[in-house]
This record gives sequence, structure tokens and C-alpha cells, in this order.
Amino acid sequence: GAVVSQHPSRVICKSGTSVKIECRSLDFQATTMFWYRQFPKQSLMLMATSNEGSKATYEQGVEKDKFLINHASLTLSTLTVTSAHPEDSSFYICSARTSVETQYFGPGTRLLVL
Amino acid sequence: AQSVTQPDIHITVSEGASLELRCNYSYGATPYLFWYVQSPGQGLQLLLKYFSGDTLVQGIKGFEAEFKRSQSSFNLRKPSVHWSDAAEYFCAVGAITGGGNKLTFGTGTQLKVEL
Repeated sequence: GAVVSQHPSRVICKSGTSVKIECRSLDFQATTMFWYRQFPKQSLMLMATSNEGSKATYEQGVEKDKFLINHASLTLSTLTVTSAHPEDSSFYICSARTSVETQYFGPGTRLLVL
Repeated sequence: AQSVTQPDIHITVSEGASLELRCNYSYGATPYLFWYVQSPGQGLQLLLKYFSGDTLVQGIKGFEAEFKRSQSSFNLRKPSVHWSDAAEYFCAVGAITGGGNKLTFGTGTQLKVEL
């Protein structure tokens, strides 16, 4: 199946700093990628839809100025958590769409803000 | 708006026993349905998906699921569970939007396998 990678897999940062997470589709091109957030022992919550060459579409309640998304190429989307705070600590997962119906997920990035 | 309910938060089965994980969905049109598995600290792996056609869908690792429109269900089954199947299982329903398939996930079922 299609492979999606994320980097870094884990990151620890100080409160107030910014963190960038990369999501790459390794063996296919993805015009659309998705960013999810998963709290411990909970489900995935869609944060935003990232479209190559255009602005991301954010879900209700997600601050677009805090979670900056850039989809600069057909194989790369980045999520930047700006001015991170401890409540931003979470597991962030991206996915890439291979067809209208199917998404493949990355392994996730564990963010810890101290 | 679509929604997914996984009634069982935790399930424990003995290795070799059969397994059924329940999933009920709410969606106004014909849904796209998925089952994903997540191992600790990892992303989601697609087990199987239903779009149309045969309501019994075969997936990887010996899993299957049956779409029952009358019951709004898409339960996941496996005839004989292996210890390596212990993981978190998520059911999801997809809705086609302008940007592609937007997935809504259930809260997951944690499967424990006793040896």
C-alpha cells in the first residue's frame, strides 16, 4: 500500500516556541492531505484539510493562526504549531489521499510542550 | 453530519477465539466505511473498506466486515484471533466533500488478547 511518513516522530519543546511537523507521501502524489489530533485513549479529531497550492480548510474550533499548514508540493505538507503551550501536547497524525475514498496515514508525531 | 459509534471500549478475547467488534454509523447517504488498526505509538493501518457492491468485505490479516444498511452497522470480524491482533481498532465513515474524503472516526475499541 501507499506509504506516508512523518518527521519528527517525537519532539519536546519549550512553551512559547514553534514546532514544525512534516508529512510526506513517499510513493505517490497527494493533492490532499489531512491533519488529525489524537488525545490519549481517544479518537482522531480532524483538524484541517491541506490542499496543494491553496489554503488549508480548518475544522470548526481549530485556530488557523496557531496551527499553520503549508502544502507546498504534491508530496509534502507541514503543520507548524506556533507559540506552543502545554495544552498543545498531543499525538498529531497526517494522512494523504490516494483517491476520493481512501486515505493512508502516517505514523504520527508525539509533541510534548514543557 | 455523520457520526460513528463503537459501543465497546475494551474487549478481551482468548487467542484462537473468534472476534466481533461493533460499529454503528449515522450518515444521510450511502456511506464509505472503513476499519483501521492502530498499534501503540503508531499511525493507523487500513484493514478494509466498503464503498459499494458486496456487503461482506474481506481485508488484510484475516479480517472481514459486513455492511448492514438496515442496522446501520459495519461490524468487524475475525474467526480466530492471534496475539499480535492486540491493538486499538477504529471504525470510520467517510463523506465526500469538495476537498476529498473527510473521515469521522469512532472512539475506538481496545482489543486485548489473552494467551
